[in-house]
Amino acid sequence: AQSVAQPEDQVNVAEGNPLTVKCTYSVSGNPYLFWYVQYPNRGLQFLLKYITGDNLVKGSYGFEAEFNKSQTSFHLKKPSALVSDSALYFCAVRAPNQAGTALIFGKGTTLSVSS
Amino acid sequence: ETGVTQTPRHLVMGMTNKKSLKCEQHLGHNAMYWYKQSAKKPLELMFVYNFKEQTENNSVPSRFSPECPNSSHLFLHLHTLQPEDSALYLCASSQAGELFFGEGSRLTVL
Repeated sequence: AQSVAQPEDQVNVAEGNPLTVKCTYSVSGNPYLFWYVQYPNRGLQFLLKYITGDNLVKGSYGFEAEFNKSQTSFHLKKPSALVSDSALYFCAVRAPNQAGTALIFGKGTTLSVSS
Repeated sequence: ETGVTQTPRHLVMGMTNKKSLKCEQHLGHNAMYWYKQSAKKPLELMFVYNFKEQTENNSVPSRFSPECPNSSHLFLHLHTLQPEDSALYLCASSQAGELFFGEGSRLTVL
């Protein structure tokens, strides 16, 4: 069975500092991995995905994520946090070759960036 | 604007009412999804449709009834709901990769 773990309920960083939001996964085969962001009273917005290729994936708003197969991790990173990055972040996974099947989401991590 | 539109954005209903949530996608995708997001709980998959056919039903109570008349439209019919069904209901669509979400319908059951 596929699963995603986001071990931190909340991450607090100061503006201008680097941020990391952690994600580990469990899936058979090579995973498809995704990050989404949700602002209050809004839907989920796609940030980036890993399907194959380079382990470092760059996405929207300056975010990037590193796929680490040996550690089964896909941590979200940004070199310099902004106050406007404060939101709820979700990691998601899907097994390969399963187009049209749902993503399995982690429980979410609240990122709080202070000025 | 994600290309997925949900209406209404907010809905308040009594336990004996019948209402429907609507989702429309303008992306030409073949798959559509309903997710439920409750406070302090992970996103819960409810239903999946591929090419108008239901391919997943995640043990959802029968008081939730989905309908997918074509690949662009998805409905969630609601009847005799319970207060614990109050949540944000999210619709999404996909072709082969990431899901594109609507803004959600915030449902309150009194």
